[in-house]
Amino acid sequence: GQQLNQSPQSMFIQEGEDVSMNCTSSSIFNTWLWYKQDPGEGPVLLIALYKAGELTSNGRLTAQFGITRKDSFLNISASIPSDVGIYFCAGRSNAGNMLTFGGGTRLMVKP
Amino acid sequence: DTGVSQDPRHKITKRGQNVTFRCDPISEHNRLYWYRQTLGQGPEFLTYFQNEAQLEKSRLLSDRFSAERPKGSFSTLEIQRTEQGDSAMYLCASSKFAGTTVSYTFGSGTRLTVV
Repeated sequence: GQQLNQSPQSMFIQEGEDVSMNCTSSSIFNTWLWYKQDPGEGPVLLIALYKAGELTSNGRLTAQFGITRKDSFLNISASIPSDVGIYFCAGRSNAGNMLTFGGGTRLMVKP
Repeated sequence: DTGVSQDPRHKITKRGQNVTFRCDPISEHNRLYWYRQTLGQGPEFLTYFQNEAQLEKSRLLSDRFSAERPKGSFSTLEIQRTEQGDSAMYLCASSKFAGTTVSYTFGSGTRLTVV
């Protein structure tokens, strides 16, 4: 099925470093969501974006809704070991109510 | 409210058997979704209910799959004559719309292994 292009696929960083990941699509979305998924669990919502150009923070996390409405990025500042997991972007268009997900970014943090 | 609840968490079944999963959404959410996630991939949409009406189905939902939401509350997803390719995590989500915002909450999933 269709998925968004999410990059990088994986990152191995040192604790305290900043992290950036992004998602691009060939389609326009009206909502961008960022989720984190731990092994064996469902995705947990981190940040929701509803307007082109919107920049939203949640603690050390910051996400932006691209002006073209075809992309979004997520930044994590000063990473800590509990940031380890898989991060997914998801987009929702007006054409349907379901979410289209990216392939995920696996984040590993070295203490 | 404890969020979206899915049961069972894990299911191992022999090829050819039928399986049924249950999802209890957040009580005030009128929309319910089923997604499938295979290893190393993001979740993929299967089907969606608004109240008891099934409004959208993905082409991924073959004839062996059926979903119901009989009273607009909990939902079941049944897979008949399971195949090894059905092995995946099955995720349920529920949502509500509040003006221009939308809140999607996922359950912990049911991990199906077909042997």
